[in-house]
Amino acid sequence: GAVVSQHPSWVICKSGTSVKIECRSLDFQATTMFWYRQFPKQSLMLMATSNEGSKATYEQGVEKDKFLINHASLTLSTLTVTSAHPEDSSFYICSVPTGGQGYGYTFGSGTRLTVV
Amino acid sequence: GIQVEQSPPDLILQEGANSTLRCNFSDSVNNLQWFHQNPWGQLINLFYIPSGTKQNGRLSATTVATERYSLLYISSSQTTDSGVYFCAVESQWGSRLTFGEGTQLTVNP
Repeated sequence: GAVVSQHPSWVICKSGTSVKIECRSLDFQATTMFWYRQFPKQSLMLMATSNEGSKATYEQGVEKDKFLINHASLTLSTLTVTSAHPEDSSFYICSVPTGGQGYGYTFGSGTRLTVV
Repeated sequence: GIQVEQSPPDLILQEGANSTLRCNFSDSVNNLQWFHQNPWGQLINLFYIPSGTKQNGRLSATTVATERYSLLYISSSQTTDSGVYFCAVESQWGSRLTFGEGTQLTVNP
């Protein structure tokens, strides 16, 4: 199956700073990638769809100016949390659709962000 | 959008017991996956099963697409099976996965 690498695995940052999370599809070219957020004891909620070479599509209620997404190549998407606040502390995880290979969607290992 | 309901929300078992987790969905699907989220948050893909039956060791899954439900069977449970099990679906109308709320499984020794 496809391999998706995400890093960092965890990060602690100060309020007001920005944090960049990378999602790489190591063996599968992806024109689309997805970013999810998961708060403790809750399910995964889709934040945005990252589109290679064009603007990302954000879900309702997600601030596009706060969560900057760049999908500059077929194997890399980045999520930047700008001016982070404690309420942005969460688990962020990316996924790559690999349905053509019969595996559905493959997920990265996730990034645990703590804003202090 | 498509709705996904999982039951039960919590399940506590003794080691060696069998269990069945259920996933109901509200529309026709192109894709259905079962995941196990380990304590570190990593999502382990268990099955890609938009229809039919699959087995992998002690785990098996069945999706009855016409009746819009899927079942995950865990036999001879082990403490390492503990964690959250998620069902996620992709409707026939959209190209994204929608997750259910999950089943928190605890297997006691």
